[in-house]
This record gives sequence, structure tokens and C-alpha cells, in this order.
Amino acid sequence: GQQVMQIPQYQHVQEGEDFTTYCNSSTTLSNIQWYKQRPGGHPVFLIQLVKSGEVKKQKRLTFQFGEAKKNSSLHITATQTTDVGTYFCAGRRGDDKIIFGKGTRLHILP
Amino acid sequence: EAGVAQSPRYKIIEKRQSVAFWCNPISGHATLYWYQQILGQGPKLLIQFQNNGVVDDSQLPKDRFSAERLKGVDSTLKIQPAKLEDSAVYLCASSSSGVGVGQFFGPGTRLTVL
Repeated sequence: GQQVMQIPQYQHVQEGEDFTTYCNSSTTLSNIQWYKQRPGGHPVFLIQLVKSGEVKKQKRLTFQFGEAKKNSSLHITATQTTDVGTYFCAGRRGDDKIIFGKGTRLHILP
Repeated sequence: EAGVAQSPRYKIIEKRQSVAFWCNPISGHATLYWYQQILGQGPKLLIQFQNNGVVDDSQLPKDRFSAERLKGVDSTLKIQPAKLEDSAVYLCASSSSGVGVGQFFGPGTRLTVL
């Protein structure tokens, strides 16, 4: 079946360093969403990307959707301790079905 | 605006017992989702409702899991009988109608099967 692969699985960065997580789908997606889940919490919606090549920014977070609408990335500039958590992408297929990636767990070293 | 409500928050049962979870979505949200999240993994979609109709239940183990959303508002998810591997957090989420709007998740029910 269709997979949404997310890498890396874990990332440890020094506070102030940048962080990037990547999401890749085996097939074209109609859109992709990103969620953040704090330890012990539930996923919280961050953003949705719809258009080919789309780039959106939220303060220190930059989201990109690939030209082929098969891959996406989330980049955090100058990480802070509040960025700790697991970041999930969720791809929506053309038939409206949703597949979550396994997530990238971000740990910040003080 | 009230969020997605779920109950109970925690449940411990023995294998082969039955359990039911309840979800009340955000008012006006037509789409409701049930996910299973095993520790350290991403949410796995079990079933998606659009109003009271099922959109996708391809990953629902139908021999033991069932879900309903009779009036197109709140929903229940049942497991009968439970197995050890059903230990997980069961998340309910809702979204307004239309393709691609974000999902709002409830706090989840943590199920432990002994």
C-alpha cells in the first residue's frame, strides 16, 4: 500500500541549531499537513500545503511541498527548548484518505 | 470554542474483555476520525466518518473493532474482545467539511490490556 516515509526518526540538536525533517510519499498527494505532538500530548495541527512547490512560513518554521507533490519538509531555524516534540506529516491522497508518517522526534540539548 | 472531548482518559482491562471509547467532536465538524497510536509511532487511521457515513475503514480490524456515529455527531469505538497488542492511545479527531482542512485532536484514551 501507499507509504508516507518520514526521516530522520530521531534528531538531537543543540539549542540554537537548525532542524529539518523530511516526508516522502510513493504517490502524488493532493495535500500534506504537518502536526506537532508534545511528549504526553496529542497532535496539534500546524499547517497545510496544497500547491506544487508551495512554501509557507510560521515564524521560525518553514514548510515546503515538492514540485511533484510527493515530498515535503519542515525546517526550524534556531531551535528553542519549546520546539521539543514529535513532528508528523500527514499526506492526503486523491480519494481523501489520510496517511501519517511515523514522525521525527526532536530533542533539544541545552 | 470547545475542543474534541474523549472519555475515558485511561482504561485498564484484561485480554478478552470488551471496552468502549466515546468521542464528541467540535460542534459543526462533519468529519470524525479514530486513530490508534502505539507508543513511539505515528497515528494509524482506523476509521473516518463523513457525517454518519463511513469514508474509510480499511485499517479497522473488523473482527474485533467496531465504530458508529449514528446521528452524525458523537461517536463510539468498541473493541471486543481485546488483545494485548491493542494497548495504545486511541485518538479521536474532527475537522470541518472540505478537503484538506486541519484535524483537531482530542486528548486520547490510553488503553492498557493486561
